[in-house]
Amino acid sequence: DAGITQSPRHKVTETGTPVTLRCHQTENHRYMYWYRQDPGHGLRLIHYSYGVKDTDKGEVSDGYSVSRSKTEDFLLTLESATSSQTSVYFCAISESRTGSSNQPQHFGDGTRLSIL
Amino acid sequence: GENVEQHPSTLSVQEGDSAVIKCTYSDSASNYFPWYKQELGKRPQLIIDIRSNVGEKKDQRIAVTLNKTAKHFSLHITETQPEDSAVYFCAARDTGGFKTIFGAGTRLFVKA
Repeated sequence: DAGITQSPRHKVTETGTPVTLRCHQTENHRYMYWYRQDPGHGLRLIHYSYGVKDTDKGEVSDGYSVSRSKTEDFLLTLESATSSQTSVYFCAISESRTGSSNQPQHFGDGTRLSIL
Repeated sequence: GENVEQHPSTLSVQEGDSAVIKCTYSDSASNYFPWYKQELGKRPQLIIDIRSNVGEKKDQRIAVTLNKTAKHFSLHITETQPEDSAVYFCAARDTGGFKTIFGAGTRLFVKA
């Protein structure tokens, strides 16, 4: 399995509180992604990073921010959590190879976040 | 932007039968199509992928076909086994390689 660690694995918090999820990789891969998974919606891209300090929005970025200060860490922050952000969050990584950006993504074990 | 539709949402087969899951995509520029298997409470895991310069790819009991003209691709599982029971996701990635859009998933039940 790819060296991806998500923390925490489970979290329960209250509406309006800030929450930060961490994704740590040991593969030195260039690309990192945050997804949320909800029943009936598959995996939806929140934000992604294509290098240190290089990030961009995905399909469902409202209410989320990210930061990547070093290659191995990609942080997802909910500035003021809402109940609609209750979900399972997955981090993924993929490498970059010269001549092809289409390398498979490998996922972490996920973080189950409940916002009451 | 890209949109991926996946059918059926639920599929039940008898052990030993074949299972087929179909996906369509909207962006003709997409050129990479991975399939993931997710068991209950686990991470999605890549099982097979196909690039747009290939029409079919096979790996033991699993095969994927791609029709670029019609913008659809399918996953075929032959000789299904109970351990094939899981949720399967198709996905499409654009030529920039940054955004991968997933289908909503197919829950496959293989009855022993």
